[in-house]
Amino acid sequence: GAGVSQSPSNKVTEKGKDVELRCDPISGHTALYWYRQSLGQGLEFLIYFQGNSAPDKSGLPSDRFSAERTGGSVSTLTIQRTQQEDSAVYLCASSLRGSEQFFGPGTRLTVL
Amino acid sequence: AQSVTQLGSHVSVSEGALVLLRCNYSSSVPPYLFWYVQYPNQGLQLLLKYTSAATLVKGINGFEAEFKKSETSFHLTKPSAHMSDAAEYFCAVSERGYGGSQGNLIFGKGTKLSVKP
Repeated sequence: GAGVSQSPSNKVTEKGKDVELRCDPISGHTALYWYRQSLGQGLEFLIYFQGNSAPDKSGLPSDRFSAERTGGSVSTLTIQRTQQEDSAVYLCASSLRGSEQFFGPGTRLTVL
Repeated sequence: AQSVTQLGSHVSVSEGALVLLRCNYSSSVPPYLFWYVQYPNQGLQLLLKYTSAATLVKGINGFEAEFKKSETSFHLTKPSAHMSDAAEYFCAVSERGYGGSQGNLIFGKGTKLSVKP
């Protein structure tokens, strides 16, 4: 079946603009995760959704970052007033509860 | 708090030689442990995982890893490197929860493996 998909694959934006990154998890997966991969910081956890529970937002670096998951499926990560340090690859993963995470190809964000 | 340390940001081996990528973890609870591989411009692919069923775990592409609680280690090995193994490898830990792995993964900084002909 189809894996995790993310769009866009690349996004270039100007400092101060808002961006939205989309993740389509594997059908039926109840858990969805967002991570950020950057040269300086490696792979960092951002946010975790599990079913209808309140999301774990403990990894979000600032209040400019937010995410939602609609209908228990598609998720959107929003970064407001982007800064150059937000440049990174944003990875989404999904899993069945208690199982391994499957990762999407990522969205490469460049903030000029 | 959980953490993962990967010794060596870059490892270079000759084709046919043993591959050894080191991973040490810190966890206050029995962990789940994972190795992921990332090829250039691609997402992460699971190589293998430790969930307590057996301390020696076999994964894809001939890789295996051994969980050693006394050493808090989960090193990745492959007896004979192939050119196609050149990639970045990440060790990760997550907490145990009811029914399996719980919550987010904590990743090491990664080890870039180069394979010389």
